[in-house]
Amino acid sequence: DSGVTQTPKHLITATGQRVTLRCSPRSGDLSVYWYQQSLDQGLQFLIQYYNGEERAKGNILERFSAQQFPDLHSELNLSSLELGDSALYFCASSVAGFWGNIQYFGAGTRLSVL
Amino acid sequence: KNEVEQSPQNLTAQEGEFITINCSYSVGISALHWLQQHPGGGIVSLFMLSSGKKKHGRLIATINIQEKHSSLHITASHPRDSAVYICAVEDTGNQFYFGTGTSLTVIP
Repeated sequence: DSGVTQTPKHLITATGQRVTLRCSPRSGDLSVYWYQQSLDQGLQFLIQYYNGEERAKGNILERFSAQQFPDLHSELNLSSLELGDSALYFCASSVAGFWGNIQYFGAGTRLSVL
Repeated sequence: KNEVEQSPQNLTAQEGEFITINCSYSVGISALHWLQQHPGGGIVSLFMLSSGKKKHGRLIATINIQEKHSSLHITASHPRDSAVYICAVEDTGNQFYFGTGTSLTVIP
């Protein structure tokens, strides 16, 4: 158990809908990262938050947004969902926000858009 | 354009064999990570390297910054090592780039 909790584990929804994925980092970790893993694109970095502030942004679509709350949990919001958004979404956390930190991954949320 | 290239894509080994997985990258990096993903999907971070060599049990990771190359070695491989191994690099702008992974199967 990595100590990173992601909910829900599975999500099935329809095109055009909006969903929220939740991540609780390990106790004491200030940084949260979001990743998308799809069959055709592999793992892709979406966004990083550190202590409530956005630290780095990767290949995150404009239809997607994220935030980190004062209690350090994070949410990834996906809207106007398309079939191609079906993927495994991972959250990871680390102690610090600068580079070179070991990340601890959650078990992922499997999103199916029908 | 792939910032991170891994080889081989697939690897089958007999139990006890020495295994090497290679990773080459094209960007300037602050750190390189080796990840392990089991069939159930969970991801575990094995190593984070910025220089030299690290060892955990039967796993050894090396990096050559000048050649932009890293290797992950597994000594005395075991069926429980069967997983996908992913190389990821982190640049100084906190961007992460991932290889496509090496699927390892160790046969008893």
